[in-house]
Amino acid sequence: AQSVTQLDSQVPVFEEAPVELRCNYSSSVSVYLFWYVQYPNQGLQLLLKYLSGSTLVKGINGFEAEFNKSQTSFHLRKPSVHISDTAEYFCAVSPRRGNTPLVFGKGTRLSVIA
Amino acid sequence: DTGVSQDPRHKITKRGQNVTFRCDPISEHNRLYWYRQTLGQGPEFLTYFQNEAQLEKSRLLSDRFSAERPKGSFSTLEIQRTEQGDSAMYLCASSGGAYNEQFFGPGTRLTVL
Repeated sequence: AQSVTQLDSQVPVFEEAPVELRCNYSSSVSVYLFWYVQYPNQGLQLLLKYLSGSTLVKGINGFEAEFNKSQTSFHLRKPSVHISDTAEYFCAVSPRRGNTPLVFGKGTRLSVIA
Repeated sequence: DTGVSQDPRHKITKRGQNVTFRCDPISEHNRLYWYRQTLGQGPEFLTYFQNEAQLEKSRLLSDRFSAERPKGSFSTLEIQRTEQGDSAMYLCASSGGAYNEQFFGPGTRLTVL
């Protein structure tokens, strides 16, 4: 079975500052990793994914994440945030074999302050 | 392709009533997933289909819940005899590629009074 821990439930940050949202996972098998963003009263939008290859993954809206196998982490970063980045961010994991349901973390609420 | 759609977007019902939600996946996707999300939590898996076959059900899916995907196209999720604890956002996702990348609909927010 897989599990995901998002270490911060809330992250306030000033506009144009850098941000890192932390995600650690647990799995006995190789996994795919995902970051989704959710705006109020909306569904989830895929930000980026790690499937294989380069451990630094770039996504939409200027976000990137780095897969670290030894630390079982997949932290999300953005060098300069905007007010429009205020949202809930979810890290998710899936085993590589089979198309099983995603396992999500509890989410991190990013609040960008003007 | 307009993505995954869900209907209705909001549903308010009284305890004990039955409700049914619909999900239309991306047309070429053969896998469809239902998740439930409560306030302050990440989505939790309920059930999923590959084509018309229901392959897995979570222990969260009590006997009051049933899901169908006739002909492997749209899916419905029915909750019978709703309880206040059923109040949540119900999310549908579909997937068709090799890497389990799931695309989500806007969700149906259920409020049970």
